[in-house]
Amino acid sequence: EAGVVQSPRYKIIEKKQPVAFWCNPISGHNTLYWYLQNLGQGPELLIRYENEEAVDDSQLPKDRFSAERLKGVDSTLKIQPAELGDSAVYLCASSLNPAGKETQYFGPGTRLLVL
Amino acid sequence: GDSVTQMEGPVTLSEEAFLTINCTYTATGYPSLFWYVQYPGEGLQLLLKATKADDKGSNKGFEATYRKETTSFHLEKGSVQVSDSAVYFCALTSGSARQLTFGSGTQLTVLP
Repeated sequence: EAGVVQSPRYKIIEKKQPVAFWCNPISGHNTLYWYLQNLGQGPELLIRYENEEAVDDSQLPKDRFSAERLKGVDSTLKIQPAELGDSAVYLCASSLNPAGKETQYFGPGTRLLVL
Repeated sequence: GDSVTQMEGPVTLSEEAFLTINCTYTATGYPSLFWYVQYPGEGLQLLLKATKADDKGSNKGFEATYRKETTSFHLEKGSVQVSDSAVYFCALTSGSARQLTFGSGTQLTVLP
């Protein structure tokens, strides 16, 4: 079974430029998560989707970040414009149902460097 | 709100040494508890989990017991290997919050 797929794995951009990350969850997983992981810290949730609906986006900085999950499968996270402080690893995860006792499966992440 | 406190690293051990990584939590209700591992260059992988008090999660020689009275979920392994070198994250989910709340991670290096 294929795991969570993310692309690109690495991205280097200049500040004020836009950037987008793509995630394809495990087949059949209804719930998709985007996390932000700063260096030396644990991941923090940005947004959670159940099917195509964003059910928790309270920690997404909406002035510059946006996300979509068309058709309830793959998802795109966008930053526009990027700032130096956005340099981090962006992780995508999926679970069969909303996680409580459910296991979340993580992709390898996209490492973003903003210069 | 929910929080997880992990033993700070880095931790360096010799092969076959005993490992303990401490984890305590604060949460409302009855959280589910997890240990995730992140090998260099890879994504987070679930190592083990426990969903109710006194449950013991185990995998690959690692164990952790859900202790509600001490709000702890310490990770242990009797004999570590070089291949266990990674960053270990303690995490929880609690009733109303669906997302994982992570600790800050503990870097483990095992020397041959």
